[in-house]
Formats: sequence, structure tokens, C-alpha cells
Amino acid sequence: EPEVTQTPSHQVTQMGQEVILRCVPISNHLYFYWYRQILGQKVEFLVSFYNNEISEKSEIFDDQFSVERPDGSNFTLKIRSTKLEDSAMYFCASSWAVNTGELFFGEGSRLTVL
Amino acid sequence: DQQVKQNSPSLSVQEGRISILNCDYTNSMFDYFLWYKKYPAEGPTFLISISSIKDKNEDGRFTVFLNKSAKHLSLHIVPSQPGDSAVYFCAASPGGGADGLTFGKGTHLIIQP
Repeated sequence: EPEVTQTPSHQVTQMGQEVILRCVPISNHLYFYWYRQILGQKVEFLVSFYNNEISEKSEIFDDQFSVERPDGSNFTLKIRSTKLEDSAMYFCASSWAVNTGELFFGEGSRLTVL
Repeated sequence: DQQVKQNSPSLSVQEGRISILNCDYTNSMFDYFLWYKKYPAEGPTFLISISSIKDKNEDGRFTVFLNKSAKHLSLHIVPSQPGDSAVYFCAASPGGGADGLTFGKGTHLIIQP
């Protein structure tokens, strides 16, 4: 069964460092998303991406965050200068259409900022 | 600002019985609702959805009920099985799609043998 894969599974970084989280969405999907879950809190929407541009983003997704689809398979989330409060599980998701409601999530990348 | 609320952090149900998970929302613009299931160390998995034009959607052992006037939805699992033990997230979206889902905090369902 096709699945969304994320790397790394866990990354530890120093505050102020740049981090890139990588995702390979399901191959025939057209819509891509990043969500995050801070420990003990709810899953929060960060950004959605379609046709090589951001279609929607939340208040969390400020200038420190960026997304990119550098080739036909990868979808990346970059945090330019990490803060302690960026520590969370980051989930990538994809869907084949925007109105199905059915997002396929990856297993997540745990980011720990020290 | 909790637009989607799951007031029960955990729920324990005996195997074979019905599990009922509840979710309330405050945003009247939400018109598409979903339930996701999450096992430890895995991402959320889509379970079932319902649009605001319906009040019930059924898929096997899973049924979602929507009460728009009360801004309340519930997920029924019957019969409950050990593999159903997981965290269940309620999610909602305006505009009938998956863009910018708002999730609840989740309910940890524990199925007792």
C-alpha cells in the first residue's frame, strides 16, 4: 500500500540552527500538507501546498518557515532559525484531491530543539 | 481557542461493547468533519468523514453522527475490538475539503478484554 514517508524520524538541533524536514508524498497525490503536534497538545495545521505554491497557511507558519517541492517526489519543510517552542512532532500529509477530506499522513519527524 | 473540542481525554470500553467518542465544535463555518485514528509512533490514519448535508455516515463497524444544531458529532464503534485501542482525533474543515483541518486534542480509547 502506498504511504507517505518522512525523514528524519528524529532530529535534535541547537536553537538558532536551520532544520529541513523531508517528506515523500504518495506519488499520484496533488495536495501536500504539514501539520505539527507539540507534546500533549492537538495536531495543528501549518501549511498546504498545491501546484507548486502555498494554498493556505496558519498563523504558526511565519517567516521562519518555508516549504518547497524541489523535484517531482520530495516535499520539504524548512525552519530557518529554530526556537525552543518549535520542538514538536511534524507530520507531512498528502491527498489526491482537496475535497476528499482524506489525508494520508506520514509517521512524523520528531524535532527537539535544545 | 479550541474550535474543536474533545472533552474526554480517555475512554475505557469492554471488548464487544459500543464505543462512543464525542466531539463538539464552535465554528459555524465548519461543514466537513472527519475522524482520524492514531497509534503510538505512527501518523494519524483517516477513519471516516461526514459532510454537513448528512447527519449519519456508516462504514462497517464505524458510524459518525452529526447534530448541526448542537454543533456536535460522535463516532460509534460497534462492536469494539482490541485493535481499536488508539487515540481518536476529531477534525473539521470549512469549505468541504481537507485544506487547513482543525483537530481536537484527541481521545485515547482503551478496549479492555
